[in-house]
Amino acid sequence: DTAVSQTPKYLVTQMGNDKSIKCEQNLGHDTMYWYKQDSKKFLKIMFSYNNKELIINETVPNRFSPKSPDKAHLNLHINSLELGDSAVYFCASSQGKWGGQGRRWQPQHFGDGTRLSIL
Amino acid sequence: QKEVEQNSGPLSVPEGAIASLNCTYSDRVSQSFFWYRQYSGKSPELIMSIYSNGDKEDGRFTAQLNKASQYVSLLIRDSQPSDSATYLCAEGYNQGGKLIFGQGTELSVKP
Repeated sequence: DTAVSQTPKYLVTQMGNDKSIKCEQNLGHDTMYWYKQDSKKFLKIMFSYNNKELIINETVPNRFSPKSPDKAHLNLHINSLELGDSAVYFCASSQGKWGGQGRRWQPQHFGDGTRLSIL
Repeated sequence: QKEVEQNSGPLSVPEGAIASLNCTYSDRVSQSFFWYRQYSGKSPELIMSIYSNGDKEDGRFTAQLNKASQYVSLLIRDSQPSDSATYLCAEGYNQGGKLIFGQGTELSVKP
């Protein structure tokens, strides 16, 4: 059973279009994330949701809008796609904080990624 | 922005040798550190998590954390060609638990 699944796996589209990527996790986790991996393989956080509430919103253009209908799903909608949006987008999930100290985080588990190519 | 720095690769080791991957971080209050392995064209796969000073062993992998010196390392014993991949060090940043990744070290294990 796939733990974190993303669709589609590949997305090829033209500049200016609007597209969405969907993510679902069946691990029972309460926190989900979107990361972007650029052509140099550097992974950077974009957004995170905890129990449907947005808790991290990095400096991402507002053309990117995440939506979490429930804690098992986190979607990413991108408006007016630009050439610079070409990258691999990874969804991840984790159980969030644990332990009495409150500053330790469970590891995150990643989906297979969506390779977005803008023509 | 807090940073995580890794050895620039590629790192090449012969089969059967010990591969040593290092990482430093700048946030003194961080308590969660992770090593991920990423094969070309695939997603990051968790290898180890470490939260306390000292060593943590899992099979051929040993993670080491030194909070005073702000570094975390990964040792791979008896390296195999199948270990050839990019290894990503990540810090679980306190704000929202986002992972801050290093740039990755590419490891090549030669038969």
